Amino acid sequence: DGGITQSPKYLFRKEGQNVTLSCEQNLNHDAMYWYRQDPGQGLRLIYYSQIVNDFQKGDIAEGYSVSREKKESFPLTVTSAQKNPTAFYLCASMPSDTVTGELFFGEGSRLTVL
Amino acid sequence: AQSVAQPEDQVNVAEGNPLTVKCTYSVSGNPYLFWYVQYPNRGLQFLLKYITGDNLVKGSYGFEAEFNKSQTSFHLKKPSALVSDSALYFCAVRRPTGTASKLTFGTGTRLQVTL
Repeated sequence: DGGITQSPKYLFRKEGQNVTLSCEQNLNHDAMYWYRQDPGQGLRLIYYSQIVNDFQKGDIAEGYSVSREKKESFPLTVTSAQKNPTAFYLCASMPSDTVTGELFFGEGSRLTVL
Repeated sequence: AQSVAQPEDQVNVAEGNPLTVKCTYSVSGNPYLFWYVQYPNRGLQFLLKYITGDNLVKGSYGFEAEFNKSQTSFHLKKPSALVSDSALYFCAVRRPTGTASKLTFGTGTRLQVTL
């Protein structure tokens, strides 16, 4: 079955450590997105990529980095510069970056900073 | 700037009763509107969208939504609620220009359906 796989589902980090969240899709989608979800705040866009080898900052990119070396993969690194990284992180994709399209989401990764 | 308001943090309804989850929006031009559902510790799932045409949009799991341009609303409805409908519901809006990344989500409404 096609879908988006995020790993790990749960991750604990000590302050000062970088962590990388994996996002893999086998839907053959060009566009991929990373969102952060905090209670009571809805979803906020961190980074997005419309095509391989290209990505753009979203609304809250500070303290995060991404790469898009393969169409299937869009990993997110939460760096030590991110002041409040504890959150639920969601990866999503679309066939292409069109305004009428709906997002397909992964199951999410919950990051907790100890 | 575009925005979405979901005025109710939680909606409680008895199984078998109709449900409404409210959403109002603010956007320049004609809006593209979406509803997503999230079950606990899971990703979001697409329910339905309004792009153009009929103001009443039908979606997955028996849900529907009515687009009202004069009231800038896009309320989610279901004629008969099920306990399994209990989840967090998000409304989202895009402008017709720009990119798909310019999608603004509401803060979510938790639906609790009881027996």
